[in-house]
Amino acid sequence: DTGVSQDPRHKITKRGQNVTFRCDPISEHNRLYWYRQTLGQGPEFLTYFQNEAQLEKSRLLSDRFSAERPKGSFSTLEIQRTEQGDSAMYLCASSLTGGSNTGELFFGEGSRLTVL
Amino acid sequence: GQNIDQPTEMTATEGAIVQINCTYQTSGFNGLFWYQQHAGEAPTFLSYNVLDGLEEKGRFSSFLSRSKGYSYLLLKELQMKDSASYLCAVLNQAGTALIFGKGTTLSVSS
Repeated sequence: DTGVSQDPRHKITKRGQNVTFRCDPISEHNRLYWYRQTLGQGPEFLTYFQNEAQLEKSRLLSDRFSAERPKGSFSTLEIQRTEQGDSAMYLCASSLTGGSNTGELFFGEGSRLTVL
Repeated sequence: GQNIDQPTEMTATEGAIVQINCTYQTSGFNGLFWYQQHAGEAPTFLSYNVLDGLEEKGRFSSFLSRSKGYSYLLLKELQMKDSASYLCAVLNQAGTALIFGKGTTLSVSS
C-alpha cells in the first residue's frame, strides 16, 4: 500500500496524559499536513510542512501541540496534557507542490483520539 | 480570512440529479476544491476549479463563478454509494493550505 498511513488508528487516554501520532506520507510528496475533524464538521487545518520545514501553523494549534517532520519523510503530532476538548479525528494528508497539486490532498485514515 | 458556506444536509433518490451549492469569501483566490467523505473514512479529492465555468468528470461536474464567490457540485444518475459528505474547500491566501467548509451530508434513497 503506497497511500498515507497513520498510527495509531485509535487512542483512548485520560485527561492530562501526552499522546503522539505518527504519519507516513506518500513517499514522493514533499508537503505534509495535519488536520483535525470533529463530528459534523469539515477538517480544520492545523499545520503543514514542506520537506522538513514547518511553514505554517494555525491559531488552533495551542502550545500543547507540537509537530515535527525531522527528515522530511514521516511526521509526528504530539499533544501534551490532553484535555477533553482535544477529542477528535486527527487527519494527516500529503501532496505535491504547485498549481492544483497543492490542493489535491491525499488523506490517511486518521487517528481517532478520545480523552476521558 | 476565509469563510465557506454550504447546506448542512440534502436528500435525493437514486437516478436523480442533485446540485450542492457552496459560497465563499476569501482574501485571495487560488482555487476551489470538492472532496467526498464517506462516513468513517478519509476525504478523497473530487474536483478542482480555478477558472470560471464547468468542469465535467464522469457523473460529477463542478462549476465556479469567481465574481459571485460561488461554486456548485452536480451529481448525476445518483447511486446509493453517493451517500456521503461533500466538502467544499478553498486554498488559503498564501495558497499553501486547504480551508474546508463544514460539508453537506447527502443521503440517497431508493
